Amino acid sequence: SQKIEQNSEALNIQEGKTATLTCNYTNYSPAYLQWYRQDPGRGPVFLLLIRENEKEKRKERLKVTFDTTLKQSLFHITASQPADSATYLCALEMAGQNFVFGPGTRLSVLP
Amino acid sequence: DADVTQTPRNRITKTGKRIMLECSQTKGHDRMYWYRQDPGLGLRLIYYSFDVKDINKGEISDGYSVSRQAQAKFSLSLESAIPNQTALYFCATSDGASGRSHEQYFGPGTRLTVT
Repeated sequence: SQKIEQNSEALNIQEGKTATLTCNYTNYSPAYLQWYRQDPGRGPVFLLLIRENEKEKRKERLKVTFDTTLKQSLFHITASQPADSATYLCALEMAGQNFVFGPGTRLSVLP
Repeated sequence: DADVTQTPRNRITKTGKRIMLECSQTKGHDRMYWYRQDPGLGLRLIYYSFDVKDINKGEISDGYSVSRQAQAKFSLSLESAIPNQTALYFCATSDGASGRSHEQYFGPGTRLTVT
């Protein structure tokens, strides 16, 4: 079965720096790879989606890359702010919109 | 009002009891999902439904059952609750129409404790 690893359980960075989160998966590449943000006690919120034939996607301060050879996606937050502190989840959309989620990385942006 | 609602938000129950978690959505989406979240394990799919007559088991369906009463309603039942079903449960929806973005919209979650 498909397994997902996210680089670390927790990541601390200084305000203004770029945060880089990693998502690695096993087995076959999904049609779509998604990133979600989850705040404590709340449901995940969709951020970005990238298709298997796309290398990079941007949205404001967010950037996602997708390397099907390495079976890896990188999620970047530039000019990070304390309000970006949250848990970020990587999700693979398998055939037929069956989703597999990674365990998440808890990001803390320190002022 | 929230697009995806879950009831109850918190529930404490005893081992062996039957319990139902309910989910309603106003997004008009055809696809609905139930997940559980445990610390360090992320979200795991329990059941998913692509329309009222199409229900599928997910990764961890044992001990759970579901009912899709209408396009907008999807309920999850624990027939005989056990302590290791203590978790945070999320309902989610997505639009299965071809060409649509496939993001999922999540409810606020139900915190279930089985004693």
